Amino acid sequence: RKEVEQDPGPFNVPEGATVAFNCTYSNSASQSFFWYRQDCRKEPKLLMSVYSSGNEDGRFTAQLNRASQYISLLIRDSKLSDSATYLCVVNMNGANNLFFGTGTRLTVIP
Amino acid sequence: GAVVSQHPSRVICKSGTSVKIECRSLDFQATTMFWYRQFPKQSLMLMATSNEGSKATYEQGVEKDKFLINHASLTLSTLTVTSAHPEDSSFYICSAPEGSGPYEQYFGPGTRLTVT
Repeated sequence: RKEVEQDPGPFNVPEGATVAFNCTYSNSASQSFFWYRQDCRKEPKLLMSVYSSGNEDGRFTAQLNRASQYISLLIRDSKLSDSATYLCVVNMNGANNLFFGTGTRLTVIP
Repeated sequence: GAVVSQHPSRVICKSGTSVKIECRSLDFQATTMFWYRQFPKQSLMLMATSNEGSKATYEQGVEKDKFLINHASLTLSTLTVTSAHPEDSSFYICSAPEGSGPYEQYFGPGTRLTVT
């Protein structure tokens, strides 16, 4: 079983739409959770960390459900520039590295 | 934010040759750096952890004699792909955490290796 699993998509949504991505992780000892964004042929860049209480950054909202080992990312009012692959990333406590999901491909259509 | 550079950004080499990829932390020191590989349409996979002053730690299935890692200083790690084959063609990315925690990783821009 993979450490981190995501729906690969693709998600094709019109501008202005709201879209949600889900991710599950297998190791209950996981401590830190992140969403990264990766544009085609580029390195991943941190989009936001995910906190237990949920957190919001502008149009982006991340939530964590430890009981279900589930992380989500909600994007409101999608922009063309949001088109990218969104990676769910998990870090286990004491392990100084990250486990990546396969990513969910989003395309925002004019 | 912190900056990590990689060189070269793109390299094409012939089968059987070796290729060295450099990863540098430009404005911070990194005792640990990580090397990832990403095949098309797949997720990043950790290859090895590069440790300054000691041997690298390799993930299961990664040949340490094929992928040589040297963490020469607190700002430089190198990955050498020895006797490269076409199946080694991939996107190689390094990362380094800034600070002592395991949290945010800063990624280099990646190196696209094509072995012909």
